[in-house]
Amino acid sequence: DIQMTQSPSSLSASVGDRVTIACRTSQSISSYLNWYQQKPGKAPNLLIYTASNLRSGVPSRFSGSGYGTDFTLTISNLQPEDFATYYCQQSFSTPFTFGPGTKVDIK
Amino acid sequence: EVQLVESGGGLVQAGGSLRLSCEVSGFTFSSFAMSWVRQAPGKGLEWVSVISGSSTYTYYADSVKGRFTVFRDDSKNTLYLQMTSLRVEDTAIYYCAKDSGKYPTYNWFDPWGQGTLVTVSS
Repeated sequence: DIQMTQSPSSLSASVGDRVTIACRTSQSISSYLNWYQQKPGKAPNLLIYTASNLRSGVPSRFSGSGYGTDFTLTISNLQPEDFATYYCQQSFSTPFTFGPGTKVDIK
Repeated sequence: EVQLVESGGGLVQAGGSLRLSCEVSGFTFSSFAMSWVRQAPGKGLEWVSVISGSSTYTYYADSVKGRFTVFRDDSKNTLYLQMTSLRVEDTAIYYCAKDSGKYPTYNWFDPWGQGTLVTVSS
C-alpha cells in the first residue's frame, strides 16, 4: 500500500497569509494526487486534481504542484472561509489512501 | 446538478449487518465508477471501496475486505454498500462519491454525498 504523510498536521495563520501544505507518498504516483477541503460537519470538497489542476469554481488562490512523491498545496491570500482541514489523496493504485490531514485555523 | 444522497445508516450491534444506499442524479450513472469513503468520529478520511461503471471491477480496503460488498443498480441510479460482521471500529460517517472516470484508477472524487452515520455498539 502507498503511505501518505502530510506536514504540518496543523497550522495557525492569519487572513492574507500564504500557506503551504506538503504531502509525501511512499512511492512514486506520477501526478495522481488530489486535494480536498473539509469544513466541520460537512463532506469533503475537491480543490485540486492530478496534482495541479484547479477544480472549476475553486478560487484561484488555491494551487497545487508536484510530481512523483512530493506535492504541495498552496493557499495565497488566506481568506476566512479557508479555515478548514485539507487532505491529499492518491489515485495511482488501490487502496486509494488519504493523507492524515492538515488543519488550518485562525491565529 | 449532480446530487448524491446516502441513506441506511443507523445503530447496529457488533456482528450485525447494514446496507447503505446512495441515490444519484444529474449524470449518467452507469458511465462512472463510484466510491465509498468513511470517517470515524474526529478522525481522517479512509477510502473503503470502489466499483467501476458497469460493475466490472470492485476493490476494497483491507480493513473491510470479506465483510463489505459494494454493488450498484444502474437502472435505479443507486450505489450500495452491504456491510456484514460489523465491528465497533466500523463506526463512522460513510460518504459515497462520484469518481471522475469509468474505471477505478487515476480518478478524483467529485462530488460527495452528505454522508450517513453508522454506529456499531458492543
